[in-house]
Amino acid sequence: EAQVTQNPRYLITVTGKKLTVTCSQNMNHEYMSWYRQDPGLGLRQIYYSMNVEVTDKGDVPEGYKVSRKEKRNFPLILESPSPNQTSLYFCASSPRSRLAGYEQYFGPGTRLTVT
Amino acid sequence: RKEVEQDPGPFNVPEGATVAFNCTYSNSASQSFFWYRQDCRKEPKLLMSVYSSGNEDGRFTAQLNRASQYISLLIRDSKLSDSATYLCVVNILTGGGNKLTFGTGTQLKVEL
Repeated sequence: EAQVTQNPRYLITVTGKKLTVTCSQNMNHEYMSWYRQDPGLGLRQIYYSMNVEVTDKGDVPEGYKVSRKEKRNFPLILESPSPNQTSLYFCASSPRSRLAGYEQYFGPGTRLTVT
Repeated sequence: RKEVEQDPGPFNVPEGATVAFNCTYSNSASQSFFWYRQDCRKEPKLLMSVYSSGNEDGRFTAQLNRASQYISLLIRDSKLSDSATYLCVVNILTGGGNKLTFGTGTQLKVEL
């Protein structure tokens, strides 16, 4: 089944404790992206990757890191989480195809709470 | 001004009603447009792409007006299962590749 998976789905952590949220897709998509969703603010892009070893900042990259060592995986790293990073996080992937209209396929989301 | 603006709602409508959502975008370089559906606490899923000529998929019709920079979604004969948040999404081709910008969503509640 074609899908984007994220782990963990739920995480409660404390300020300053490094964490990684994994994202994996099995559709051979080149493009992957991380978003956070907050009430009243909608989905905001954190980082994106056009291909292996190619990453770039989105609209809200502060406090986050990413890596793209393999095509299928795009982990999101919070080196020192803070309470303002409490949010719902989505990973997404997309074929780089104009014909496909750049449709993005989303993972199920990770609900992170930082206390 | 937000890049993509939507009325947050909620729109409470009776089953069988026709409901329309509008969305405006600010960047005239926007190239492609979509409506996504998001159920509560779930991931967004593509509902339909929006083309200049307008397109229809069953009870759903999407329209694009480039001159006025707005997109619309019409739902006819609404069902209880249509209750969700509808996200307007605009794709802009930048030097770094394509960038999707999401509206904050319009919440629809279909009631008996």
